[in-house]
Amino acid sequence: NAGVTQTPKFQVLKTGQSMTLQCAQDMNHEYMSWYRQDPGMGLRLIHYSVGAGITDQGEVPNGYNVSRSTTEDFPLRLLSAAPSQTSVYFCASSYSGLFYNEQFFGPGTRLTVL
Amino acid sequence: QQQVKQSPQSLIVQKGGISIINCAYENTAFDYFPWYQQFPGKGPALLIAIRPDVSEKKEGRFTISFNKSAKQFSLHIMDSQPGDSATYFCAAKRGDYKLSFGAGTTVTVRA
Repeated sequence: NAGVTQTPKFQVLKTGQSMTLQCAQDMNHEYMSWYRQDPGMGLRLIHYSVGAGITDQGEVPNGYNVSRSTTEDFPLRLLSAAPSQTSVYFCASSYSGLFYNEQFFGPGTRLTVL
Repeated sequence: QQQVKQSPQSLIVQKGGISIINCAYENTAFDYFPWYQQFPGKGPALLIAIRPDVSEKKEGRFTISFNKSAKQFSLHIMDSQPGDSATYFCAAKRGDYKLSFGAGTTVTVRA
């Protein structure tokens, strides 16, 4: 199993550009989520999905879109990049979001918006 | 506003010493408290977790202490080793999927 994979590993954007961060998992997990990690703020939940076709907002959803057409993939779209979106983005998945299922994290995408 | 407050921001410990990281929360609906370990350039990985009906959980050199009445929990790393140098995050979760993370503690173990 590859686990949770993310592409690209690094990305530099100009303000106003759009892009999609890719996330895939091969563990047949129901639950997938996106976090951003900023210094001194830990990880903050952007969006999450409890299954194909079902998504919901997390703590910091503004400026981001998600969709979940398959169990395996959960892309994160930046509609119009802003410098405030400079961050490290992590995708995570778990068998179920409820209760005590371990969340597995991908290796991250480091995004810089100029 | 962070729902889980973590301290200290960083700590340095000598090899063989004890590292202690503290976390506090307000929401009594939280029912699962995991700790994640993150090495530079990697994603976080689950280290150890506890439920509020247990006051302590130990796995190897890592121990979680949980004080439900004080709404606090802590991670103790015994006999700290250079390989333990990493950033540690506490977190808390309700049954509705969402994990709330602390701000993180960078632990440096000096040989």
